[in-house]
Amino acid sequence: QKEVEQNSGPLSVPEGAIASLNCTYSDRGSQSFFWYRQYSGKSPELIMSIYSNGDKEDGRFTAQLNKASQYVSLLIRDSQPSDSATYLCAVYSGAGSYQLTFGKGTKLSVIP
Amino acid sequence: EAGVTQSPTHLIKTRGQQATLRCSPISGHTSVYWYQQALGLGLQFLLWYDEGEERNRGNFPPRFSGRQFPNYSSELNVNALELEDSALYLCASSFLQLDQPQHFGDGTRLSIL
Repeated sequence: QKEVEQNSGPLSVPEGAIASLNCTYSDRGSQSFFWYRQYSGKSPELIMSIYSNGDKEDGRFTAQLNKASQYVSLLIRDSQPSDSATYLCAVYSGAGSYQLTFGKGTKLSVIP
Repeated sequence: EAGVTQSPTHLIKTRGQQATLRCSPISGHTSVYWYQQALGLGLQFLLWYDEGEERNRGNFPPRFSGRQFPNYSSELNVNALELEDSALYLCASSFLQLDQPQHFGDGTRLSIL
C-alpha cells in the first residue's frame, strides 16, 4: 500500500521564523509531489509542486525533494500568522497511477 | 478561468435519505475525483472518474456512487444516509497527466440529522 507520512503537529513557530514541514513516501517510483494548504473548514489550495531532486523556490516557500531518501519538505520563510493552516503533502506514484495519495497533514500555528 | 465548482454549498438531510452532490471541473480537465473529509480528519479518497468511466474507488460501501457526464461534470450520490456520513465532500479535477496537480472546489458540507 502506497503511503505518505507527515507529522500531525501541531507545529508552532514564532512570527518571522522559518517553518519546516516534512513528508516521507513509501513508493520509490513516485514521480510528482505537491504541497497543499488547507485552512480550517476550507478546501485544499495548491501552493507548490516539485518533480526533480533539489530545491524549488516560490516567494517565501521552498520545496525540497530527495528521491533517494524518499522525502519531500516545505520551508516557509518569514512565517506569518496567515500561514497558520494544515499543510498536506500529496504524491503521484509511478506505474501509471493517476491518483494522488495525500498525507494526513501537518497543522502549523504561527504565533504573533 | 473558472475553477472547480460544487453545489450545493450546504446540504442537510436525515438518516435514510439520499443525497446528490454536483461538481463541474475546470475547463479541459477530464478527470474528476471525490473525497470525504470528516471534521478534524484527513482526506479520504472516494471515487475517480475519467472520460465518463469510473477508474477507481476508495474503501467505501456501495451506497456511495456517482457518475461523470459527457461534459465531464460529475455527481456523487449517497444512499441510505447515516450519521457518520456528515462531512465535507470535496471534488477535484485535473488533466490526466502525472505532472498535473488536482485542483479542488470549495466543497459541499453534508450534515445528517
